[in-house]
Amino acid sequence: AQRVTQPEKLLSVFKGAPVELKCNYSYSGSPELFWYVQYSRQRLQLLLRHISRESIKGFTADLNKGETSFHLKKPFAQEEDSAMYYCGLMIYNQGGKLIFGQGTELSVKP
Amino acid sequence: GAGVSQSPSNKVTEKGKDVELRCDPISGHTALYWYRQSLGQGLEFLIYFQGNSAPDKSGLPSDRFSAERTGGSVSTLTIQRTQQEDSAVYLCASSLVIRVETQYFGPGTRLLVL
Repeated sequence: AQRVTQPEKLLSVFKGAPVELKCNYSYSGSPELFWYVQYSRQRLQLLLRHISRESIKGFTADLNKGETSFHLKKPFAQEEDSAMYYCGLMIYNQGGKLIFGQGTELSVKP
Repeated sequence: GAGVSQSPSNKVTEKGKDVELRCDPISGHTALYWYRQSLGQGLEFLIYFQGNSAPDKSGLPSDRFSAERTGGSVSTLTIQRTQQEDSAVYLCASSLVIRVETQYFGPGTRLLVL
């Protein structure tokens, strides 16, 4: 079955602390994974995707096929990182539709 | 250029009425996706279009839901005989082609069924 799991609904950290948003997936094919972010009153937007292996706004995510995980990390959280984060799995043989996790709300306190 | 646009931004309707939600994708994007964002279900896929055809309708929750796309551009999601459980934010996304491109999301239509 195709599934994305984000175990934490809410993650609260203090400014400057490290943050890790967990994402686990279940997929029989070769996974293509994404992190999307939705800031307050803004539309959902791509944060990063694993194939590009880039760092955006200080966030990185590494695909671990052994653990079927794609956790999002940032060493020093900023208040402006407060948002809703969704991990997404692209289903290649179904038109590239995205299967999303339930989302994790990140709250960075001053 | 302009991003994905959706209309209306908000829609309040009475149970049993039909509603139409519109999506204007980014010009030149051949792939178009509909998702639904609700409190209990998170973000769930509904349907996608490649050009004007919809190869995968598996995500539509019931036969009250239908969607079409004309001219390879605008898409309309129709919900007939709305129910309270249809209340959600309906998101549209487009990408240049299917499968390999980033999906760009619209602002969504917030539907409330009373």
